[in-house]
Amino acid sequence: EIVMTQSPATLSVSPGERATLSCRASQSVSSNLAWYQQKPGQAPRLLMYGASTRATGIPARFSGSGSGTEFTLTISSLQSEDFAVYYCQQYNNWPRTFGQGTKVEIK
Amino acid sequence: EVQLLESGGGLVQPGGSLRLSCAASGFTFSSYAMSWVRQAPGKGLEWVSAISGSGGSTYYADSVKGRFTISRDNSKNTVYLQMNSLRAEDTAVYYCGKGGGNYGWSGFDYWGQGTLVTVSS
Repeated sequence: EIVMTQSPATLSVSPGERATLSCRASQSVSSNLAWYQQKPGQAPRLLMYGASTRATGIPARFSGSGSGTEFTLTISSLQSEDFAVYYCQQYNNWPRTFGQGTKVEIK
Repeated sequence: EVQLLESGGGLVQPGGSLRLSCAASGFTFSSYAMSWVRQAPGKGLEWVSAISGSGGSTYYADSVKGRFTISRDNSKNTVYLQMNSLRAEDTAVYYCGKGGGNYGWSGFDYWGQGTLVTVSS
């Protein structure tokens, strides 16, 4: 099983600042990586797939990069609606696996 | 508009069974893989099971293999999760997810609102 490790667990950021979230895979997943955003009481929402392709309707302030085992999600200028938990997920191998999540909170 | 509507959750005793359903609309259902993902209270996301568009291929997490069965009825645009021998650790919100990309194997681009399963005596 591929283990996905996200860091940091919690990120405190002021509105308007940049946020950088990391995700590491225990073995290569090529570019078969997705990022999701989840707000309290809501289902997750797909942000990125293919490591760097924004899903439909996702604002350009979200960007993804990386391949192999190291991935990054960057939010260029945090808006109030961006404070949430973010998960990475690999879909290169079975079983599909998620990271444990990074909570982005208001500083 | 893509919609996924889960049902079938509830309270069940340890060792009991439950069948979840996910009714889909707004896309060509038979063309996409579907998955179930769960989230225990206050915890992260855990992928549970997936099924191909035709239903011919199924996949399971080790934690549910041999106890859960995924299936689909493409005539009804519905995917199911039959859960047997339930344990306390199966308590979670269960989400239905539509596979993204070609054939639905690239992440999950749409999610249902979730249905809560509580396993307790």
